[in-house]
Amino acid sequence: QVQLVQSGAEVKKPGSSVKVSCKASGGTFSTYVFSWVRQAPGQGLEWMGRIIPLFGTTFYAQKFQDKVKISADESTSTASLELSSLRSEDTAVYFCAEGSYSNFDYWGQGTLVTVSS
Amino acid sequence: QSALTQPASVSGSPGQSITISCTGTGSDIGTYNLVSWFQQHPGKAPKLMIYEVSQRPSGVSSRFSGSKSGNTASLTISGLQAEDEADYYCCSYAGSTSSVFGGGTKVTVL
Repeated sequence: QVQLVQSGAEVKKPGSSVKVSCKASGGTFSTYVFSWVRQAPGQGLEWMGRIIPLFGTTFYAQKFQDKVKISADESTSTASLELSSLRSEDTAVYFCAEGSYSNFDYWGQGTLVTVSS
Repeated sequence: QSALTQPASVSGSPGQSITISCTGTGSDIGTYNLVSWFQQHPGKAPKLMIYEVSQRPSGVSSRFSGSKSGNTASLTISGLQAEDEADYYCCSYAGSTSSVFGGGTKVTVL
């Protein structure tokens, strides 16, 4: 049973960056495929991108290509999402999820990122 | 990649069946049998209810079933219960290792 535990809520100033982490346990890290999903307040889910740690490859939704960087560190069993040039519109809950294609079996608890001056 | 299209809301009485549609294109739902459905209660993480169009993960009630025809996938909840009241999202693989969600459907149990 895979468990994903995300880092805590963040409050950031416009223009700054933030890194959200997702620590995995219960399986073999190299076999995981991690996606990141955004949910703005009162809005739906948006797939942002994924990383396949085994190959070190990342894929991003076109909408987020200039906004995010996804990484993974096998030594700490952690996937990370870095958001840059933060704006108020980036205020959202960010979820990590594990699974291939659209089969996201396991989810983190979500991390609220608030962008405010 | 545009979001998949779902109805904003669907409602039903306890015991009834409801169906939520999810319309995509020939580049996602129409090409891949890789459609999933997620249930999300307020303030909670989404939960996988259906994967690969019609497969149920272990522990998910058999009241939930999925299907697909052409560019449209559907989730049916039979024997509607109060605990089924939640938001439901479809998601499809869209090729080139990308995925796309639907806009979500709020299910209300009357």
